[in-house]
Amino acid sequence: AQSVTQLGSHVSVSEGALVLLRCNYSSSVPPYLFWYVQYPNQGLQLLLKYTTGATLVKGINGFEAEFKKSETSFHLTKPSAHMSDAAEYFCAVSDQTGNQFYFGTGTSLTVIP
Amino acid sequence: GAGVSQSPSNKVTEKGKDVELRCDPISGHTALYWYRQSLGQGLEFLIYFQGNSAPDKSGLPSDRFSAERTGGSVSTLTIQRTQQEDSAVYLCASSKWTDSYNEQFFGPGTRLTVL
Repeated sequence: AQSVTQLGSHVSVSEGALVLLRCNYSSSVPPYLFWYVQYPNQGLQLLLKYTTGATLVKGINGFEAEFKKSETSFHLTKPSAHMSDAAEYFCAVSDQTGNQFYFGTGTSLTVIP
Repeated sequence: GAGVSQSPSNKVTEKGKDVELRCDPISGHTALYWYRQSLGQGLEFLIYFQGNSAPDKSGLPSDRFSAERTGGSVSTLTIQRTQQEDSAVYLCASSKWTDSYNEQFFGPGTRLTVL
């Protein structure tokens, strides 16, 4: 069985500061990994994904994440937070069929001006 | 093109009533998912449809929940005899295979409130 753990249900950063949202997964085989962002009253939007190849993946809005197999982690980072980054962020993993997805409980990011 | 749409956007109902939530997937997407998003609980998988295959119902929390997908397109999630704990946002997603992975596209959700 697969599971996803997001450490920190709420994260606050100052505008311009580094954003770090943590995600760890448990999987017996290399999974596909995703980060989604959800703005208020909207559905989830794909930020970035890791499937194969380069372990550092870049997504939209300046976000990136690094797949570290040894640490079973896929942390999301952005060098400089912007007010518009305030949202809920979800880490997800899919199984080997690619048909079943498992989501973390989400991290609410607040950006302080 | 049009994204995944869901209706209604908000639904308030009384305990014990039945509700139907609708999802219109992106045209051509063969897979469709329903999730429940409760406060502080993340996304809970409910059911998954893939083409003409039998749906994966393993996430449905009780027999009060059911879903169907007609003609491989529109899906309806039905909750019978609603309970207060059913209050949540119900998200629908459709997907297609892009390169080597299955990319999900989410609708805006239906916020269900059971009084």
